[in-house]
Amino acid sequence: EVQLVESGGGLIQPGGSLRLSCAASGFTINNYYVTWVRQAPGRGLEWVSVTYTDSSTSYADSVKGRFTISRDNSKNTLYLQVNNLRVDDTAVYYCARGGDMDVWGRGTTVTVSS
Amino acid sequence: QAVVTQEPSLTVSPGGTVTLTCGSSTGAVTSAHYPYWSQQKPGQAPRTLIYGTTNKHSWTPARFSGSLLGGKAALTLSGAQPEDEADYYCLLSYSGYALFGGGTKLTVL
Repeated sequence: EVQLVESGGGLIQPGGSLRLSCAASGFTINNYYVTWVRQAPGRGLEWVSVTYTDSSTSYADSVKGRFTISRDNSKNTLYLQVNNLRVDDTAVYYCARGGDMDVWGRGTTVTVSS
Repeated sequence: QAVVTQEPSLTVSPGGTVTLTCGSSTGAVTSAHYPYWSQQKPGQAPRTLIYGTTNKHSWTPARFSGSLLGGKAALTLSGAQPEDEADYYCLLSYSGYALFGGGTKLTVL
């Protein structure tokens, strides 16, 4: 079955760091764009970042310099390193596959609170 | 940075037709913005219905269609069903980034 599974979320204090994972099954993640999207509680969707098949990346201004995407092709997994977390980074983080965003994961929840 | 605008809420009668729109503060939305439309129901992850302005996925009901209309991206629902009640988000691509609109809460009533 083709799917994406996010993990790595949790409760973290402001200023802390987490590494979110987006694990692919049923396909090779390295062959696709992957987009990260987040949704704060009770709010709409927010585009966070994208990584292309050539490993180039783009980030939203709100996370630029704090978030970094990387890949581990041996694990068929994409990572979103989130540093210097702020309260307003609290959200469910989703990853989505490809230029047509045809596969979404169920999300992982990041809560930033003291 | 651009701002993407959507109607905050719309209501449609069962069997009726409704058009949701997606505008950009930078000017007319074109196919170069590669508009996406995603549907999200309470407690669920989003799923993409339309990509690249008009393209549908295999799971996209035929009653949904995407277009460009009056300088905006548009999602038209023809023959609304109760299960279409959801939040709908458009996503536009710009140079180096992308932006979601604030979403439209569609009520089928």
